[in-house]
Amino acid sequence: GAGVSQSPSNKVTEKGKDVELRCDPISGHTALYWYRQSLGQGLEFLIYFQGNSAPDKSGLPSDRFSAERTGGSVSTLTIQRTQQEDSAVYLCASNKGVNQPQHFGDGTRLSIL
Amino acid sequence: GESVGLHLPTLSVQEGDNSIINCAYSNSASDYFIWYKQESGKGPQFIIDIRSNMDKRQGQRVTVLLNKTVKHLSLQIAATQPGDSAVYFCAENYSGNTPLVFGKGTRLSVIA
Repeated sequence: GAGVSQSPSNKVTEKGKDVELRCDPISGHTALYWYRQSLGQGLEFLIYFQGNSAPDKSGLPSDRFSAERTGGSVSTLTIQRTQQEDSAVYLCASNKGVNQPQHFGDGTRLSIL
Repeated sequence: GESVGLHLPTLSVQEGDNSIINCAYSNSASDYFIWYKQESGKGPQFIIDIRSNMDKRQGQRVTVLLNKTVKHLSLQIAATQPGDSAVYFCAENYSGNTPLVFGKGTRLSVIA
């Protein structure tokens, strides 16, 4: 597709379960970013990838959160042993590099019961 | 103003009027700035960007102004339309640290 694609669009799961969120960036974009947005809040940076490596993981809130990117394209964000405070919209963005606009997907809305 | 939880600053304008949304950024070393528009249930949509070597940039119906002296960014929307109703975020970036830092957002409400 032409834009950043995220799946699933919505995910409801029970506390303690693991979840995996997927992001397909725009073709040719080397950098990929994950952000989290809680209800009515701004965007909180989680992690970014340049190619397959993650130079900055500083935003991951705990060791329950991890992400990987393979083939310089698709990325998955995994949250283990989910907690209710993990409920948020998880947004993915991609761009061609530094000082280029990041283009966002429509996010995965995660609800932890 | 600052947002607290769901209480984003709100700007209400009449359809056809011009809108000005303001943003104070935090890092004097930031050299790249972006405005995004976010509609309910969607991801942020890129509107316009500006680099620190400029103080003004114009797009279609939008203008971004940058005042580095007071670390202030503004977005002007000409002839505001109902479709402009959304939450607007400014974001800053320092080229040595690529993740964007977002402001808390302003809700624009257009009155028909």
